[in-house]
Amino acid sequence: DIQLTQAPPFLSASVGDRVTITCRASQGITRYIAWYQQRPGQTPKLLIYAASTLQSAVPSRFSGSGSGTEFTLTINGLQPEDFATYYCQQLHSSPYSFGQGTKVEIK
Amino acid sequence: EVQLVQSGPEVKKPGESLRISCQESGDSFTTHWFTWVRQIPGKGLEWVGIIFPGDFDTRYSPSFEGQVTISADRSVATTYLHWSNLKPSDTAIYYCARGADFYGSGSPYNPLDQWGQGTLVTVSS
Repeated sequence: DIQLTQAPPFLSASVGDRVTITCRASQGITRYIAWYQQRPGQTPKLLIYAASTLQSAVPSRFSGSGSGTEFTLTINGLQPEDFATYYCQQLHSSPYSFGQGTKVEIK
Repeated sequence: EVQLVQSGPEVKKPGESLRISCQESGDSFTTHWFTWVRQIPGKGLEWVGIIFPGDFDTRYSPSFEGQVTISADRSVATTYLHWSNLKPSDTAIYYCARGADFYGSGSPYNPLDQWGQGTLVTVSS
């Protein structure tokens, strides 16, 4: 089974900051990775798929990159509504596991 | 727009059985994959398993195989998650989610673009 390791597990940032979250896969998954945002008390929301394709209606300050085993989610110009927990998910092979999450908190 | 409507919260005792549901409104039930995800309160997302109602192909995470059963009823466009012997460690929110069709709707490699509201299952004596 493929394991996903996200880093960091927590980060504190200010409005306007640039934030980068990494997701490392235990084996190559080409570009079969998605990123989700989960605000407190809400359901997860798809942000990015195929490593770098922005889901419809997701603000352009979100971007994704990477291939193989190393992936990043970047938020350029953090907004108040972006304080949430972010998860990566690999879609290369079953079980389609999630990373353990990165909680972005207000500094 | 497709909506996934899940059944309401449940409070059960250890050893009891339970089935929770997720109904899809729309007409894509037999052409998309549906995933179940567990979230223990305050913790992360865990992939439970996936079903394709078109042919009932079902796959489980090894962590959940034998502990739960995923099924689907095409006549009511509903997928189910079933336990026959609940444990306190099953206490969690369970989400259903539909796979997108970016790679073709019949592909299990699609990310999850529609989510149900979640069902809180509490198991306590």
